[in-house]
Amino acid sequence: DVKVTQSSRYLVKRTGEKVFLECVQDMDHENMFWYRQDPGLGLRLIYFSYDVKMKEKGDIPEGYSVSREKKERFSLILESASTNQTSMYLCASSADQITGELFFGEGSRLTVL
Amino acid sequence: GENVEQHPSTLSVQEGDSAVIKCTYSDSASNYFPWYKQELGKGPQLIIDIRSNVGEKKDQRIAVTLNKTAKHFSLHITETQPEDSAVYFCAALFTGGGNKLTFGTGTQLKVEL
Repeated sequence: DVKVTQSSRYLVKRTGEKVFLECVQDMDHENMFWYRQDPGLGLRLIYFSYDVKMKEKGDIPEGYSVSREKKERFSLILESASTNQTSMYLCASSADQITGELFFGEGSRLTVL
Repeated sequence: GENVEQHPSTLSVQEGDSAVIKCTYSDSASNYFPWYKQELGKGPQLIIDIRSNVGEKKDQRIAVTLNKTAKHFSLHITETQPEDSAVYFCAALFTGGGNKLTFGTGTQLKVEL
């Protein structure tokens, strides 16, 4: 069974802290994505990666960075967390860059106080 | 920029009735339109998709229709059941500036007994 695992389901951090959200997939997929989900705004793409050590900005990259050192792992980094980054973060992977099915993790609920 | 509008934001139906969710997109070059279902506490899962060379696609109780001229597509669920209760997201693949999937804002479907 395909699996995308996000390391933390719930996190509470303070303003200014550095936050790491980890995502691992076991499907040998080339492509990985980070979305944030907010009520009324749907899923918005933060960053994506089509290969190891490669990254591309999505629609809302400001305040975030990513790291893809290994094919199976894609990390989202908040250098200095702010309250407006309180959200649900969803990691996904896909085999096909063009029209491939996205496989999502269960999400990481981040609260920044 | 790329935009996908989704309506309604909430939908309540009686068990056994049909449910319809509609989306419009902005880029006439889009050629791939998936629908995802998100159950409570889980990540979204692909339930059906349609490509631009097809006007309709069915999978048991679920169907999707596409009108490329009007730039809108719809999800139809017939004979709804309580397990259909979830949040549904439409999406469109925008090909300008790299292939990116843009999601609608979601529809909370509630199937009442």
